[in-house]
Amino acid sequence: DTEVTQTPKHLVMGMTNKKSLKCEQHMGHRAMYWYKQKAKKPPELMFVYSYEKLSINESVPSRFSPECPNSSLLNLHLHALQPEDSALYLCASSQAGGPYGYTFGSGTRLTVV
Amino acid sequence: GQQLNQSPQSMFIQEGEDVSMNCTSSSIFNTWLWYKQEPGEGPVLLIALYKAGELTSNGRLTAQFGITRKDSFLNISASIPSDVGIYFCAGYSSASKIIFGSGTRLSIRP
Repeated sequence: DTEVTQTPKHLVMGMTNKKSLKCEQHMGHRAMYWYKQKAKKPPELMFVYSYEKLSINESVPSRFSPECPNSSLLNLHLHALQPEDSALYLCASSQAGGPYGYTFGSGTRLTVV
Repeated sequence: GQQLNQSPQSMFIQEGEDVSMNCTSSSIFNTWLWYKQEPGEGPVLLIALYKAGELTSNGRLTAQFGITRKDSFLNISASIPSDVGIYFCAGYSSASKIIFGSGTRLSIRP
């Protein structure tokens, strides 16, 4: 299995809603990542987990809350988002300690209304 | 912070043409990665380069890791319609971060 699976593929949420994005990989990768991508822009790193511990938070607002319950799963909990948070949210994974096998999921297209 | 300058920003090609794009940086990278992204999808890894001077091919794609470790190029030979998309270079230095270039949008000239 060489895939990173993200659910849901599309999500529309109101500014008062609470929702979660999910990411799963079964490649034995011990580093997992959340990226945000706006239209016609490159992906921007949000969070890095290494061996299930948060190692990098790129000054992301607290309305985004990551969680890594085990080595295969990564969640992104969303609460009180703003319309400007609408974007493609990408999950990626790689071998820990390096970019080997750095693989992206297909993303969740999030629209905040 | 580290930045990657990717050029060109966009290209219109005719089917069968060869394509060339490159990335440069003021910083040294240990790894260069080239991705292709199609609408509504995540980036897909095309080629990974781990050693300065390395030249690697993947079908009609060829990429090189510059000897100074500050640049990389990607060539596509004999382009076909399914080559259309956005191509991103990405550099990895350390601390589990990869830095993306701004992307090259490849379109087919009608």
